[in-house]
Amino acid sequence: KNEVEQSPQNLTAQEGEFITINCSYSVGISALHWLQQHPGGGIVSLFMLSSGKKKHGRLIATINIQEKHSSLHITASHPRDSAVYICAVTGNDMRFGAGTRLTVKP
Amino acid sequence: GAVVSQHPSWVICKSGTSVKIECRSLDFQATTMFWYRQFPKQSLMLMATSNEGSKATYEQGVEKDKFLINHASLTLSTLTVTSAHPEDSSFYICSAGQGAGANVLTFGAGSRLTVL
Repeated sequence: KNEVEQSPQNLTAQEGEFITINCSYSVGISALHWLQQHPGGGIVSLFMLSSGKKKHGRLIATINIQEKHSSLHITASHPRDSAVYICAVTGNDMRFGAGTRLTVKP
Repeated sequence: GAVVSQHPSWVICKSGTSVKIECRSLDFQATTMFWYRQFPKQSLMLMATSNEGSKATYEQGVEKDKFLINHASLTLSTLTVTSAHPEDSSFYICSAGQGAGANVLTFGAGSRLTVL
């Protein structure tokens, strides 16, 4: 079993839909990161969480430390949100989820 | 905001040659930089953590003599792939860490290496 599990692996949505991507981890962490990787490969750090909830524009990230689970939500999704979203945890070292490939259709 | 410049963005080299990739923090000092590798259709894999002025810490399975990391200043870390072979062809990415535990990460745009 991977230490960082993401679901779903692939997700296709219609523009405007509310999207949720989940991340569960089994190791102790000091922080959890949500990353966005566009087709060209460039990576953007969306959020770093150690507790609670953060919001940036249409993106919301939550983390439940007791349940070792985090979610990334995208409200009013748009085709430009199409990317791979990666969950990463840092603690003694850094581990990555396999990524969720999101496609938002117009 | 914080910017990390990675260069070159892509490189093609012959088997047996060495390739150097640079990672620079442009507007902040990064005591810690991270190097990752990503194979096609796979997620990122942390290769090593480099701290300014000290030896890099390599992840298990990453050959330190093959992937030489130098972090000689607070704004520059380099990764040199020595005696590159086709199986080293990959997307190499760096990030610079800020804050407590270097947890605030800014990523470079990545370098795509193709070894012929």
